[in-house]
Amino acid sequence: AQSVAQPEDQVNVAEGNPLTVKCTYSVSGNPYLFWYVQYPNRGLQFLLKYITGDNLVKGSYGFEAEFNKSQTSFHLKKPSALVSDSALYFCAVVDTGGFKTIFGAGTRLFVKA
Amino acid sequence: EAGVVQSPRYKIIEKKQPVAFWCNPISGHNTLYWYRQNLGQGPELLIRYENEEAVDDSQLPKDRFSAERLKGVDSTLKIQPAELGDSAVYLCASSLEAGEGTDTQYFGPGTRLTVL
Repeated sequence: AQSVAQPEDQVNVAEGNPLTVKCTYSVSGNPYLFWYVQYPNRGLQFLLKYITGDNLVKGSYGFEAEFNKSQTSFHLKKPSALVSDSALYFCAVVDTGGFKTIFGAGTRLFVKA
Repeated sequence: EAGVVQSPRYKIIEKKQPVAFWCNPISGHNTLYWYRQNLGQGPELLIRYENEEAVDDSQLPKDRFSAERLKGVDSTLKIQPAELGDSAVYLCASSLEAGEGTDTQYFGPGTRLTVL
């Protein structure tokens, strides 16, 4: 069965420091991977996705993610964190059998000024 | 361009009462999704429509939940009767095409349901 794991409930980082939010997945076949961000009382917003091609994917707001097939990971990164990046981040994988998106439990990012 | 619109934003009802949620997707988006997000968890798909057709409703509790997407645009999700465990945020999303799951989904703000 397809699954996605976000091993950290919360990540704390100081403003200006690099940040990483971790995601690992389990899927048969080629994975389609997404990152979404959720601000309070709002729906999810798309950040970036990996479908095929270059392992380093660049997305919105300066975020990027690296697809690592051997480690089955798709970690979200940003070189310099902003306080406004504080939010809930969701990794997702598509079940290519039924085309259903499966979301991780989310990681709360807290950026301290 | 307007995003995905949902109403109401908040709903408080007593158990055993009915409740309905409405969603208007982004214009031109053929695929519409309803998700349920429990506190501290990621969204879980309830039903996916491609135009008017429900192509995946395997996670929809059909004894009490129903959904429709008339004319392939707006959609309504209904719960009757509601139970305490139905308290959650109900999210609607749309995408241009379902493709093979590669299309980006655009989410509405959600409806927060509280069942007392």
